[in-house]
Amino acid sequence: EDQVTQSPEALRLQEGESSSLNCSYTVSGLRGLFWYRQDPGKGPEFLFTLYSAGEEKEKERLKATLTKKESFLHITAPKPEDSATYLCAVHPLYNQGGKLIFGQGTELSVKP
Amino acid sequence: SAVISQKPSRDICQRGTSLTIQCQVDSQVTMMFWYRQQPGQSLTLIATANQGSEATYESGFVIDKFPISRPNLTFSTLTVSNMSPEDSSIYLCSVEPPEGVTQYFGPGTRLTVL
Repeated sequence: EDQVTQSPEALRLQEGESSSLNCSYTVSGLRGLFWYRQDPGKGPEFLFTLYSAGEEKEKERLKATLTKKESFLHITAPKPEDSATYLCAVHPLYNQGGKLIFGQGTELSVKP
Repeated sequence: SAVISQKPSRDICQRGTSLTIQCQVDSQVTMMFWYRQQPGQSLTLIATANQGSEATYESGFVIDKFPISRPNLTFSTLTVSNMSPEDSSIYLCSVEPPEGVTQYFGPGTRLTVL
């Protein structure tokens, strides 16, 4: 069964304290892995798409990496405005219908 | 990417009533989806809105409860019928532009059923 597990469920950081969020996945063929940021009461905001193991993408203080079993979202020197829930999702290769499988998310809190 | 809008942004409804949520995208897209996010939970796909044909529903979701329309390639509606407090959720539409596999989400509709 296709599955996505994110850890930790919640993460509290001090401003400037770098850390990583983990997304472990089990899928029979990967079409893409996605990272989204979600603020309370709002829709997910797209961050990154990763397609194959070894791929890396960066945007400001965020860097996403991908292996055959997991993805990491590295946050370097975070600021309070980075506080949000970060969602990981996979698009299985066999699914042409577009169904994404989401993890439960990691709630990040960055204190000044 | 695509710019997506939803109406209403939020609503408070009485049990037994129905609410129709609109989703508008700024470009033509083939793939449009409706998700539900219950309080404290992640996203669950309700259905794929197909243009010109009936929507494709995921297990646990039925057309009588969540009828969907898709009259053209830029617009869709989701109706939540005969609502109960358990339907209180954020409802999200998403689109997958033709050039890739990435889905982009609308701002969501926060529904509270009393």
